Amino acid sequence: SYELTQSLSVSVALGQTARITCGGDNIGGKIVHWYQQKPGQAPVLVIYRDNNRPSGIPERFSGSNSGNTATLTISRAQVGDEADYYCQVWDSSTGILFGGGTKVTVL
Amino acid sequence: EVQVVESGGGLIQPGGSLRLSCAASEFIVSHTYMTWVRQAPGKGLEWVSLIFSGGSTYYADSVKGRFAISRDDSKNMLYLQMNNLRVEDTAIYYCARGAGSNWFDPWGQGTLVTVSS
Repeated sequence: SYELTQSLSVSVALGQTARITCGGDNIGGKIVHWYQQKPGQAPVLVIYRDNNRPSGIPERFSGSNSGNTATLTISRAQVGDEADYYCQVWDSSTGILFGGGTKVTVL
Repeated sequence: EVQVVESGGGLIQPGGSLRLSCAASEFIVSHTYMTWVRQAPGKGLEWVSLIFSGGSTYYADSVKGRFAISRDDSKNMLYLQMNNLRVEDTAIYYCARGAGSNWFDPWGQGTLVTVSS
């Protein structure tokens, strides 16, 4: 069955760039979405269809997807960006699949 | 404002049944696809079930044969019937609206299901 692999945690200095990766076999051939979840809150869509931002999501959030890695990039990181981030795909044999999540800490 | 609100969670003994509800506002549930996702305490997101506008349903292997997703078009509601509950089903259950290439937005605030004796 298909699997998505995310690093457990990423630390980034205030104002710098954080990159959160989501690995999967030829994930570049799939469509990837990203969610942000802050403590005690429901997930929020931050990137859909690899690199599209929903309305209300800052331009500092961007996405890319190629080969075996999809990446969520947070530019000029702020304290308010601290959260867990999950990638998600549709797989024909598994259905909806989420990565294990990455905890982002802003130092 | 487009939103979904879950209800129906609670404490239930192993082997018991529970039905979760999801009320939709400002959109029509039958015109799109909807999903249930759960999150065990301190764990990540786990997809549970999905229903397409045409009525086709899909389930994660972990709940197949025990859970059933459905909707009431007259009430604009989504449901998750959970039978033969296990301790490992303990989680916050989120309802979410599907869009486009299988992304989900918005999500509800979730309802907590605790399976314990």
